[in-house]
Amino acid sequence: DAGVIQSPRHEVTEMGQEVTLRCKPISGHDYLFWYRQTMMRGLELLIYFNNNVPIDDSGMPEDRFSAKMPNASFSTLKIQPSEPRDSAVYFCASRDRLGNQPQHFGDGTRLSIL
Amino acid sequence: QKEVEQDPGPLSVPEGAIVSLNCTYSNSAFQYFMWYRQYSRKGPELLMYTYSSGNKEDGRFTAQVDKSSKYISLFIRDSQPSDSATYLCAKGGSNYKLTFGKGTLLTVNP
Repeated sequence: DAGVIQSPRHEVTEMGQEVTLRCKPISGHDYLFWYRQTMMRGLELLIYFNNNVPIDDSGMPEDRFSAKMPNASFSTLKIQPSEPRDSAVYFCASRDRLGNQPQHFGDGTRLSIL
Repeated sequence: QKEVEQDPGPLSVPEGAIVSLNCTYSNSAFQYFMWYRQYSRKGPELLMYTYSSGNKEDGRFTAQVDKSSKYISLFIRDSQPSDSATYLCAKGGSNYKLTFGKGTLLTVNP
């Protein structure tokens, strides 16, 4: 059973460039979450979707960040323009809608903005 | 005050030791609690979850919740080098969101 798949695993780019992170959730999961993890702030929720619709984007740091979920099997998180302070590990997670199910995480994208 | 506070450690113990990992939380809205384990360069994976006060045991792991004092703990018995990881506590509510502590880095030395 395939888990949550994220790509790329690593991304190194220069300040000002557009960055696109991708996520394929577990098949059948209705909820998809994007997180950012840093040493200083830990794991922070950026945005989450239910049935492809954004429900809560209050964690998105600023307008340079945007996320989409065009269908049930794909989501993107885009940063434009990127800044060095965006360097972090970005995780995608998904979960089933039933009860208090756990979130299942991908292995993350390690992003470095030079 | 952050909604979930966790002692960041790091914590280093000898193999076979009993490990205690702790978190406190604020906001008493409907809640359940989870412990995730995160190995280096991997995503967090669920270790245990619990809804109610008291203890829940799974092999060498015991999760404890004290809602009156807003305190959650994870105990690891007979710790092994393979337990070396970052442990994240998390609190969930009715809105499907999880709020995580910053994590405690544990090293079990053989």
